Amino acid sequence: GAVVSQHPSWVICKSGTSVKIECRSLDFQATTMFWYRQFPKQSLMLMATSNEGSKATYEQGVEKDKFLINHASLTLSTLTVTSAHPEDSSFYICSALSGSSDTQYFGPGTRLTVL
Amino acid sequence: AQKVTQAQTEISVVEKEDVTLDCVYETRDTTYYLFWYKQPPSGELVFLIRRNSFDEQNEISGRYSWNFQKSTSSFNFTITASQVVDSAVYFCAPRMDSSYKLIFGSGTRLLVRP
Repeated sequence: GAVVSQHPSWVICKSGTSVKIECRSLDFQATTMFWYRQFPKQSLMLMATSNEGSKATYEQGVEKDKFLINHASLTLSTLTVTSAHPEDSSFYICSALSGSSDTQYFGPGTRLTVL
Repeated sequence: AQKVTQAQTEISVVEKEDVTLDCVYETRDTTYYLFWYKQPPSGELVFLIRRNSFDEQNEISGRYSWNFQKSTSSFNFTITASQVVDSAVYFCAPRMDSSYKLIFGSGTRLLVRP
């Protein structure tokens, strides 16, 4: 149990385009999901908290207009990187909070490369 | 400010050795939760343990064991008889408030050599 999927696992795009990343909790419902960013050999940096049916809460320094988050159902949250630039290249990881175990379970991550 | 310190950046051991990964945190809260996650080279974070601040009993799960010392704000993780498959980055991640946010340490990279 407690499986979280992400799609795509990797994506390469041209500068200026938008990229959407999906995060799904496969066997449990998650009213709260989180989006992280991780640079090589560094720790995870929380970008935003995604709440089902309401606006996401962004961490300080994260541009909400650039990183659009939609949590339309109890099993799906999406992160859209708008007008991507090379500096947005990173490993993006989502997690879903399981209410029954009070634990965040993580997706496998999405590696974004912007050319 | 609440934070977590994993002082060991990298550890290299030979297979079958025991290894302990340190985690020290700072908090003013009396109620909090402590987590450990493993990140193998594939990148996916794997949940290892969740512990609340009221439960000070040490826990053992197979080759894994955790030592929680509330008095010193530490939650150390020991792998007994390490194996090559244990090679990964290990993160200690306390959760100090009701927002469910995790505070990730910098991680400890463990390399287990055959």
